Amino acid sequence: AQSVAQPEDQVNVAEGNPLTVKCTYSVSGNPYLFWYVQYPNRGLQFLLKYITGDNLVKGSYGFEAEFNKSQTSFHLKKPSALVSDSALYFCAGGSGGYQKVTFGTGTKLQVIP
Amino acid sequence: DSGVTQTPKHLITATGQRVTLRCSPRSGDLSVYWYQQSLDQGLQFLIQYYNGEERAKGNILERFSAQQFPDLHSELNLSSLELGDSALYFCASSVLAGIQETQYFGPGTRLLVL
Repeated sequence: AQSVAQPEDQVNVAEGNPLTVKCTYSVSGNPYLFWYVQYPNRGLQFLLKYITGDNLVKGSYGFEAEFNKSQTSFHLKKPSALVSDSALYFCAGGSGGYQKVTFGTGTKLQVIP
Repeated sequence: DSGVTQTPKHLITATGQRVTLRCSPRSGDLSVYWYQQSLDQGLQFLIQYYNGEERAKGNILERFSAQQFPDLHSELNLSSLELGDSALYFCASSVLAGIQETQYFGPGTRLLVL
């Protein structure tokens, strides 16, 4: 079965510091991987995706993620955190169409001023 | 604002009842997706429609059904509601149907079953 894991329920980082939100995957075949953000009382927003190609994927709001096949990871990163980045972040992945995509449990990012 | 609209924003109903959730995709988007976000199950893909036809099916219960109309809006029907159906239901849309398409999500409908 395909699965995506987000090992940290919450990540705290000081404003201006680099941030990393971790994601690992277990997918048969070539994986598709996504990051989404959910702000309080709002819907999901797409941040970035890896389908194929460069292992470093750049996305919205200055976020990027690195696809690492050997470590089966797809960590979300940003060089300098903003207070406005505080939100719930979901990693998702699978192989095949969107019906095959499973979501991680989410990581709450708290950026401390 | 993603351009995807969902109505109603909130819905409170009783067990055994039936409700209909509505989604209007972004202008020009042919594909509509439905997701459920609950405390127990997390985020789950339910179903996808493309230009009026069912395209992909996920963890959608038999008590639930959906359709996409000629004007491309979609409705998710939930019947014989149970307490466990309480969740946030998201709709998303994309131009086409493939995995390479970027999805745009609506604000969700929060359903509470009492």
